[in-house]
Amino acid sequence: QKEVEQDPGPLSVPEGAIVSLNCTYSNSAFQYFMWYRQYSRKGPELLMYTYSSGNKEDGRFTAQVDKSSKYISLFIRDSQPSDSATYLCAMTLGGATNKLIFGTGTLLAVQP
Amino acid sequence: DSGVTQTPKHLITATGQRVTLRCSPRSGDLSVYWYQQSLDQGLQFLIQYYNGEERAKGNILERFSAQQFPDLHSELNLSSLELGDSALYFCASSSGPANEKLFFGSGTQLSVL
Repeated sequence: QKEVEQDPGPLSVPEGAIVSLNCTYSNSAFQYFMWYRQYSRKGPELLMYTYSSGNKEDGRFTAQVDKSSKYISLFIRDSQPSDSATYLCAMTLGGATNKLIFGTGTLLAVQP
Repeated sequence: DSGVTQTPKHLITATGQRVTLRCSPRSGDLSVYWYQQSLDQGLQFLIQYYNGEERAKGNILERFSAQQFPDLHSELNLSSLELGDSALYFCASSSGPANEKLFFGSGTQLSVL
């Protein structure tokens, strides 16, 4: 079993839809949770960063962490064609070293 | 633009050969990380350097090695290349030794034929 599980998709939605992306994980010691966006042939770009449980909102993006269920989500409101990309969740224990564990990514296509 | 520079963008080589990938971190960042991304494995952490010293090691093969130089740029050396080493190799940087916010370069696409 992988430490981090993510549905690879692809997920296709119409423009303006609300998108929900999810990851589950097995290590309850993870403290820091991130979402990265990766456009084709580009490096991952940090989108959202959350410490421990709770919600964080940034514009059209909302990240949720439920540590009791070992489940994290990214919501995208009013999705745009420019949101079409692969979304990777990542998490780490924090502390003295920083070894990010990534999900395999979900490919999102927003249709105009 | 993340500020992390990777060269070359593409590399095509044959099995058994050796290649060197180069990375310049963002200005002021002391940590450099190397990741391998393949279709079936996703992003896999290889190794981290902080201010010239190895800080953390992941699933890096013995045929692979890395170093960080005094000017903080880093090189990843891949030797005795196999077909399965074909992948995208990313470098990332962060300001501190355990900073969770990584900034990634655009990657080097390695094709081993």
